[in-house]
Amino acid sequence: DAGVIQSPRHEVTEMGQEVTLRCKPISGHNSLFWYRQTMMRGLELLIYFNNNVPIDDSGMPEDRFSAKMPNASFSTLKIQPSEPRDSAVYFCASSIGLADITDTQYFGPGTRLTVL
Amino acid sequence: AQKITQTQPGMFVQEKEAVTLDCTYDTSDQSYGLFWYKQPSSGEMIFLIYQGSYDEQNATEGRYSLNFQKARKSANLVISASQLGDSAMYFCAMREGRFGNEKLTFGTGTRLTIIP
Repeated sequence: DAGVIQSPRHEVTEMGQEVTLRCKPISGHNSLFWYRQTMMRGLELLIYFNNNVPIDDSGMPEDRFSAKMPNASFSTLKIQPSEPRDSAVYFCASSIGLADITDTQYFGPGTRLTVL
Repeated sequence: AQKITQTQPGMFVQEKEAVTLDCTYDTSDQSYGLFWYKQPSSGEMIFLIYQGSYDEQNATEGRYSLNFQKARKSANLVISASQLGDSAMYFCAMREGRFGNEKLTFGTGTRLTIIP
């Protein structure tokens, strides 16, 4: 079975450019999560969706960040304009979306973003 | 207060020995789930094992087991017969059982190095 798919795996861009990260969750999973990992702050939840609806975006750092989930098999995280401090590894994860504690999140391989 | 505390930033263990990675948690919920993930140098996050707060038995998955001590609020990961491929960062995470909450809170991780 295919796991969570993310693209691109690596992105190098210049400050001020728009960056779009993509994620395809595991088929049949109803919840999707975007995380950011940095040395300074560890793993942070940015936003998550359930049945394509954003449930909690309190972790989104600022208005430069936006996320969409137009359908059950695709989500994007966009940064516009990008800044050097956005450099991090961005993970997408998905879970079945059970409303109980057993629900396990499975992570994609991550996108390593470098903003020069 | 930190919800998940991993007090060992790094550990060195001889190959074939057992290793225990510490994790303590803080929650006022009666229902919660505890998860361990492995992050090798390649960067992906791999789910290892899950323990529910109501589970009476310690969880086991192959060489991984979870030493769950509810009264002490600890959920230590035990790896038996360590292998070189076990060298990685290990993260403990918790999902609290409040209705509708799907967030995972992660600890800061422990870097495990297996010595040949």
